[in-house]
Amino acid sequence: DTAVSQTPKYLVTQMGNDKSIKCEQNLGHDTMYWYKQDSKKFLKIMFSYNNKELIINETVPNRFSPKSPDKAHLNLHINSLELGDSAVYFCASSQNRDRGFTEAFFGQGTRLTVV
Amino acid sequence: AQSVTQLGSHVSVSEGALVLLRCNYSSSVPPYLFWYVQYPNQGLQLLLKYTSAATLVKGINGFEAEFKKSETSFHLTKPSAHMSDAAEYFCAVSVWNQGGKLIFGQGTELSVKP
Repeated sequence: DTAVSQTPKYLVTQMGNDKSIKCEQNLGHDTMYWYKQDSKKFLKIMFSYNNKELIINETVPNRFSPKSPDKAHLNLHINSLELGDSAVYFCASSQNRDRGFTEAFFGQGTRLTVV
Repeated sequence: AQSVTQLGSHVSVSEGALVLLRCNYSSSVPPYLFWYVQYPNQGLQLLLKYTSAATLVKGINGFEAEFKKSETSFHLTKPSAHMSDAAEYFCAVSVWNQGGKLIFGQGTELSVKP
C-alpha cells in the first residue's frame, strides 16, 4: 500500500479553469502538507493542516484553497488557473511529537501544466 | 528564520568515487536536518535525518551525514558512488515549533559516470 498517494499524477488544463488534487495518507499521521516544486526544482511549503486545522499558510494566493475532510485527507483546489501555476505539487504527512515532528513522507507528486 | 544552502547545483562523480554533497544551514534554534533524494518523476524519499541525537547519521543506500554545529553544516557522503545514485538531492531544515515545516535547499543534481 502506498503511504501517501496523490491523484491525478498528471493534470493538463487551460488557463482560467478550476481543478483539484487529492491526497490521502494511510500512515496515521496527524499533519499533512502541500509543497510546490517549480521548474527549477525548488521546493516550498504552501499549506499545513494538523488534525483538520490549518496551521501554516505561506502567503499563497487565495485562488488556492486546501480542504481537509479528515486527518487522512488533504485536497488542494485551485481556481482560475494561471500559467504560473504550472509546477509539481507534492503532498506530505508527518506526525506531531512532543518536541517536534517526525520526518515527512511525500507522495509521488502531481505535475500540473496550465496551457 | 531558517535557511539552507546547498553548494553546487550539479555534482558529477565517477562510479566508485566518493560522493560529497554540501549543505549549510542557518537556524536560531536547534535544528532538525534531513536529506531527501528525488529520482526522475518521483516523489521525495528520506535518506537520513538528524534530530539532536548522534552527530554522525547513517542512512539508506550507504549514505551518511555529519552534523557540525560549529560549521553549521550537514554534508552528505557516500564512500563509493553507484550508477543508481544519480538523482536530485535535497537538504532540508525544520525546527520543533514551526509545525513540521521543511525549508529546502536548492537541490544538487548528482551525475555518476561509468
